[in-house]
Amino acid sequence: QTVVTQEPSFSVSPGGTVTLTCGLNSGSVSTSYYPSWYQQTPGQAPRTLIYNTNTRSSGVPDRFSGSILGNKAALTITGAQADDESDYYCVLYMGSGIYVFGTGTEVTVL
Amino acid sequence: QVQLQESGPGLVKPSETLSLTCTVSGGSISGYYWSWMRQSPEKGLEWIGYIYYTGSTTYSPSLKSRVTMSVDTSRNQFSLRLNSVTAADTAVYFCARYGSVFYFDYWGQGALVTVSS
Repeated sequence: QTVVTQEPSFSVSPGGTVTLTCGLNSGSVSTSYYPSWYQQTPGQAPRTLIYNTNTRSSGVPDRFSGSILGNKAALTITGAQADDESDYYCVLYMGSGIYVFGTGTEVTVL
Repeated sequence: QVQLQESGPGLVKPSETLSLTCTVSGGSISGYYWSWMRQSPEKGLEWIGYIYYTGSTTYSPSLKSRVTMSVDTSRNQFSLRLNSVTAADTAVYFCARYGSVFYFDYWGQGALVTVSS
């Protein structure tokens, strides 16, 4: 069974930089998985941040960036702000129309 | 601006069928793929499947035996049915639209469905 793994939690200082990763329990993540990233605050729907590895969705600040780091997809927040405190999820396209969500990372800004 | 809104019963009895509808406004359902996801504290976010406006579908292997999706282009709606539900199906269910490159660009606000007798 495919498991998409993310760090459970991260803490970052205001103005600091944090990199979240998205990996596979078997194999490496590449651009062929079309990784996308979503931000979610409690009680709200996810908000699209990044798609196709590194393309920012409309209206997303440029402090959010996506990439491939080693064998994982990555989301970097540069210059973190208080309202970046959220849960972040990645999604990978596995082929044959199948998508898998990551386990999610809780980011605290303090 | 495209908006999606889930609707349906918030309480379903075990072994019965969960039914939800997603109404799309601000844009046409035609020409796009549409998806259902769910979220629970135990399982996190889980992709259920998608339907194309023509009616073709793809479902998650783990739910495939219990899921049916349909689309009504005249009403700009698509629907989810999940049969033989158990408490493990209790979750917030989201509908979403697929963007151009394998991602979800518009989301509904979510609908809580509780499975309980």
